[in-house]
Amino acid sequence: AQSVTQLDSHVSVSEGTPVLLRCNYSSSYSPSLFWYVQHPNKGLQLLLKYTSAATLVKGINGFEAEFKKSETSFHLTKPSAHMSDAAEYFCVVSDPAGGYSTLTFGKGTMLLVSP
Amino acid sequence: DTAVSQTPKYLVTQMGNDKSIKCEQNLGHDTMYWYKQDSKKFLKIMFSYNNKELIINETVPNRFSPKSPDKAHLNLHINSLELGDSAVYFCASSFGGQGGRNTIYFGEGSWLTVV
Repeated sequence: AQSVTQLDSHVSVSEGTPVLLRCNYSSSYSPSLFWYVQHPNKGLQLLLKYTSAATLVKGINGFEAEFKKSETSFHLTKPSAHMSDAAEYFCVVSDPAGGYSTLTFGKGTMLLVSP
Repeated sequence: DTAVSQTPKYLVTQMGNDKSIKCEQNLGHDTMYWYKQDSKKFLKIMFSYNNKELIINETVPNRFSPKSPDKAHLNLHINSLELGDSAVYFCASSFGGQGGRNTIYFGEGSWLTVV
């Protein structure tokens, strides 16, 4: 069975400061991992994904995440927050064997950015 | 050009009514999904169709009936609506199933409120 834990339900930062959103996973296999972002009243947009290639994954809007197998983590970072980054962020784990296994979503982290 | 579009975006209806949400994707994907996001923002899959065939049917009340006339469309019909059905319903699509490296593309959601 697979699971994902987002360690913070809310993260508050000031504009221009670094962002760290934490995610730990549990999987019986070498997982594929994703980060999605959801802006208010919008759908989910893929930020980045890890699929057993480079462990440091770069995504859109300056975000990146590092897959650390020893720590079972896939934390999302950004060097400098922008007001437009304020949104809900979801960490997602997937069984890499393909087929029709299910994605498992974390409970989300709300990123708040103050001026 | 919206990749995954769903209508209506907002729907307010009374208990006991029957309603439908429509979804269309123009990405050429062969798999479509319905997800439910509850009031705590938790996302869970409801159904998955591959080439019009039902693949995943989670423990969803049989008041919910998906219909896929072709692989570009997956509609969700809900009978005898209950207060607990109030949620955001997301349509999504991908190549192949959810597992592995397949990126899932989400629509912008349909906010259903049952009063």
